Amino acid sequence: DQQVKQNSPSLSVQEGRISILNCDYTNSMFDYFLWYKKYPAEGPTFLISISSIKDKNEDGRFTVFLNKSAKHLSLHIVPSQPGDSAVYFCAASLNRDDKIIFGKGTRLHILP
Amino acid sequence: ETGVTQSPTHLIKTRGQQVTLRCSSQSGHNTVSWYQQALGQGPQFIFQYYREEENGRGNFPPRFSGLQFPNYSSELNVNALELDDSALYLCASSYDRGGFGQFFGPGTRLTVL
Repeated sequence: DQQVKQNSPSLSVQEGRISILNCDYTNSMFDYFLWYKKYPAEGPTFLISISSIKDKNEDGRFTVFLNKSAKHLSLHIVPSQPGDSAVYFCAASLNRDDKIIFGKGTRLHILP
Repeated sequence: ETGVTQSPTHLIKTRGQQVTLRCSSQSGHNTVSWYQQALGQGPQFIFQYYREEENGRGNFPPRFSGLQFPNYSSELNVNALELDDSALYLCASSYDRGGFGQFFGPGTRLTVL
């Protein structure tokens, strides 16, 4: 039973354009949402998070949008750079003290 | 400040054997979490230790067990290995309980034949 779903296994975007990665969740009790980035042979690294009381959080080129009614969040990367090519995991948690549940990930390819 | 390290990098075992994976947390981090990442899947939470006591467990059988030591090192033990245990095993450390602020190690790739 996937509580966090990333339905696009891969995404290709031209360098300089906007990358939009999508994520859906089923548990309306989730209070925090996170995005992680993973390069091959490395562990996931934290990118950005958002709590359920907000609908947008921005950090440099990265913005996360949360639509609670649709149980949907998205990560926008503008502008996309070659170093952004990686696997991106969407994750959720019931609260700050609880475990994190990950989606299956989306592989982002930034094309030259 | 050192990062999170894991050993070994790769490991091959046969079905029925036992394996111990090791993790060294960042200094000062009281919490270590272990995850299993099967091919094509996201990391799946196995369990978490906070100050040497188990602080939550995912949907994994008792043959998955762990230990956390005062020197910021920890172990994941898996008994009676099954073919489906083949995966990347990740540990992550953080100062507080839960998953926030956690730093991941590079993982141990376990292959069960």
